[in-house]
Amino acid sequence: SQKIEQNSEALNIQEGKTATLTCNYTNYSPAYLQWYRQDPGRGPVFLLLIRENEKEKRKERLKVTFDTTLKQSLFHITASQPADSATYLCALAHGSGNTGKLIFGQGTTLQVKP
Amino acid sequence: ETGVTQTPRHLVMGMTNKKSLKCEQHLGHNAMYWYKQSAKKPLELMFVYSLEERVENNSVPSRFSPECPNSSHLFLHLHTLQPEDSALYLCASSQGMAQETQYFGPGTRLLVL
Repeated sequence: SQKIEQNSEALNIQEGKTATLTCNYTNYSPAYLQWYRQDPGRGPVFLLLIRENEKEKRKERLKVTFDTTLKQSLFHITASQPADSATYLCALAHGSGNTGKLIFGQGTTLQVKP
Repeated sequence: ETGVTQTPRHLVMGMTNKKSLKCEQHLGHNAMYWYKQSAKKPLELMFVYSLEERVENNSVPSRFSPECPNSSHLFLHLHTLQPEDSALYLCASSQGMAQETQYFGPGTRLLVL
């Protein structure tokens, strides 16, 4: 069966450390994968998109990797800050044309302690 | 904010009520979506509209009825809902295909009593 999994347990780290979140998938072949941030009671906000032919993508303190062999994406936040505390969702592109869609993981909650 | 607005932000309704959720996008996008988000669950895609035509309905109960009068507006009409329908309802839009980056509204927190 098709699955997309993120660590359901909250990740607690100290301010200044690097946070690493994992997204694993099975029985999908996404052309690209996206990461979103969601704050409580709000809609997700797009952060980064990485394509299947890209190994790594960076944006300021954020870094995403995409390993199509392992079927895994890692999301890193370096020099983490309490303001980075939120739930992070991965989403993979599935299908094509008008029948395509984004499939979301359940998200991992990150708590950065000062 | 993201350019996608939703009203109301909070809604409490009885099981026999009829209400509507409204979504408006100011981004010039061609596709709009309704998602349901329940606690500890992934976002569930409910409806997809592309160029004002419904292209997908993921087996959503008929008590949810979408309407897309133009490419900027999307409604979700609610009728005789069940308590298990209580959730955060999110509207999103994208420039083209659904696999592309989506821009979400703030959501409507719905409580069905």
